[in-house]
Amino acid sequence: DVKVTQSSRYLVKRTGEKVFLECVQDMDHENMFWYRQDPGLGLRLIYFSYDVKMKEKGDIPEGYSVSREKKERFSLILESASTNQTSMYLCASSLTSGSTYEQYFGPGTRLTVT
Amino acid sequence: AQRVTQPEKLLSVFKGAPVELKCNYSYSGSPELFWYVQYSRQRLQLLLRHISRESIKGFTADLNKGETSFHLKKPFAQEEDSAMYYCALRGNYKLTFGKGTLLTVNP
Repeated sequence: DVKVTQSSRYLVKRTGEKVFLECVQDMDHENMFWYRQDPGLGLRLIYFSYDVKMKEKGDIPEGYSVSREKKERFSLILESASTNQTSMYLCASSLTSGSTYEQYFGPGTRLTVT
Repeated sequence: AQRVTQPEKLLSVFKGAPVELKCNYSYSGSPELFWYVQYSRQRLQLLLRHISRESIKGFTADLNKGETSFHLKKPFAQEEDSAMYYCALRGNYKLTFGKGTLLTVNP
């Protein structure tokens, strides 16, 4: 059973703080993803990684960076948090190959920036 | 560019009524489409994928390449079907999601 875990369920930070969101998966998946989920906007891809130390920008990378030093761990970094980054952040992982593609999601981190 | 459109933000039906959640896509290649569901206080999870041609929890979805649609259907809605539903299109490594439809099934 695939498990994707995220370091925090709820997080409150102040404007200008550096914020780290951590995600860990235990199924040896090559791909990992960070999304933000906002009402009326759906899921928007921030960054994804298809291998260790590899990353690609998604649709809304501005204001974010990522780090993938180990295969199982993918970190999202907000260098200087702003109020418009208040959102639900979802991490996901997937295999690259195989006929039954599926992304497995973590429980989410609700970040509030005040 | 790939794009997924879910025209209804909200859909409300009564228990036992048929339900159809619409999804249209734009993609230049051969599409691979999915429906994901998020129940209240649960994580987002795969409901079904078009290549499996399966029925999950009574839901089915048929890929119509002519109309570029992948609508989700269930003949008799149940209260436990109330959830947020996302249609998604696979391209390379990633999925592009629609904005979602919140389905409410009333007793």
